[in-house]
Amino acid sequence: ETGVTQTPRHLVMGMTNKKSLKCEQHLGHNAMYWYKQSAKKPLELMFVYNFKEQTENNSVPSRFSPECPNSSHLFLHLHTLQPEDSALYLCASSPTWSGGSSYNEQFFGPGTRLTVL
Amino acid sequence: GQQLNQSPQSMFIQEGEDVSMNCTSSSIFNTWLWYKQEPGEGPVLLIALYKAGELTSNGRLTAQFGITRKDSFLNISASIPSDVGIYFCAGQKAGGTSYGKLTFGQGTILTVHP
Repeated sequence: ETGVTQTPRHLVMGMTNKKSLKCEQHLGHNAMYWYKQSAKKPLELMFVYNFKEQTENNSVPSRFSPECPNSSHLFLHLHTLQPEDSALYLCASSPTWSGGSSYNEQFFGPGTRLTVL
Repeated sequence: GQQLNQSPQSMFIQEGEDVSMNCTSSSIFNTWLWYKQEPGEGPVLLIALYKAGELTSNGRLTAQFGITRKDSFLNISASIPSDVGIYFCAGQKAGGTSYGKLTFGQGTILTVHP
C-alpha cells in the first residue's frame, strides 16, 4: 500500500469527452503533483500544488485542468484531448518544503492509464 | 529543460550478478533519488541522497551522491528475479525556485534471467 491512490486505473475516452482523474493521499503530506509518463520518455512534471495552492504549471495545455480542493485530494480534469495525450498519468505527494529536506521524497500512486481515441 | 542522462538504457543479467547504473547531469543537483517501477504500478522510492559523497544502502541496494554533485550511481548486489523493473534516477536542482521540481532520467530496464 503506497498511501497514494488513483482512480480510475484505466480510462478510454474520445477526443470530445470530458473526464476527470482523481488522486487521494493518506500520508499527511501537503504537496501534490501530476506527472505524465509516455513510452520511452522521462517522467514529465505537469503541476505542483503546495497547501492547495498551485506553485507550478509546466507549460501544460489548457485542455488539462487541475484542481486541489484540500491537501489530500487532487484532480485532473480532461477535455478535448488529443491522441498524443495518451499516457500513464501519475499522481505523487510529498511533505511540504517549508522545512527539512525530505520534501523531495515524492510518493507515487499507481497511475491512470489513459487512451484517447 | 534540464535533462539527466541515465545509463545503461537496458540490462540483461543472470540471477546472482551485480548491477550498476548511473545518472549524470551538466548541472549541479542538491538531491538525488532512485526509484523502481514495476509494470502497472507507479515508481517506488528506493533511496534518497542529500549530501555530496553520501553513500546509502537499502538491503542489497547501494547508491552514492557524486562528489561533483552532477552524478549518482545505484548498485544492486546478488540480483534476484524480483529485481526486474525500470529504475529511474531523479534529481532536484539547488535553488528556491526548484522546490518540488524533480527531473527524471530516462530509466534503466533491468531483466534478470533465473
